[in-house]
Amino acid sequence: DGGITQSPKYLFRKEGQNVTLSCEQNLNHDAMYWYRQDPGQGLRLIYYSQIVNDFQKGDIAEGYSVSREKKESFPLTVTSAQKNPTAFYLCASSRTGGGGELFFGEGSRLTVL
Amino acid sequence: AQTVTQSQPEMSVQEAETVTLSCTYDTSESDYYLFWYKQPPSRQMILVIRQEAYKQQNATENRFSVNFQKAAKSFSLKISDSQLGDAAMYFCAYRSVYNNNDMRFGAGTRLTVKP
Repeated sequence: DGGITQSPKYLFRKEGQNVTLSCEQNLNHDAMYWYRQDPGQGLRLIYYSQIVNDFQKGDIAEGYSVSREKKESFPLTVTSAQKNPTAFYLCASSRTGGGGELFFGEGSRLTVL
Repeated sequence: AQTVTQSQPEMSVQEAETVTLSCTYDTSESDYYLFWYKQPPSRQMILVIRQEAYKQQNATENRFSVNFQKAAKSFSLKISDSQLGDAAMYFCAYRSVYNNNDMRFGAGTRLTVKP
């Protein structure tokens, strides 16, 4: 079945370590997104990519990095520069143009120890 | 930038009853899309319903319907015949037609369904 796969579901990190969250989609979507979700807040956009080898910062990109080497993959690295990385991270994809809905993965919960 | 406001952090409804979740948004654009997403305890976001701003007719999907008031910038979700499986966080979202990457979410409303 088509969909978005995020891994790992749960991740623990020590302070000062970088971690990478995986996001893979087989929906043939050009656009992919990373959102952060904190309790009591809506989703906030970290990075997005409309095409391979191109990506743009969202509202809260500081302390994060991404790559888009393949259409299907959009990994997110949470660096040690991110001051408060404990959160739930959601990856999404969509067709470009037309205002279509976003399709989401199941999310990754990152906890900094 | 567009903003989306959900003024009800929590709502509860009796099973089989009807509940309405509120959403307002702020935009200067004339064409856009509005969405309601459901996030159950599994945390995966699921699309409930979608509305194109240029359509006057309110969208419906089985027990879910919206009341879209463009002039008032209001987009409420009505859930009829509520079921236990409807218990979840509900997020209202706005997506610009002109900036395809700009989807804005409200803070969410937690819906509890009482048996």
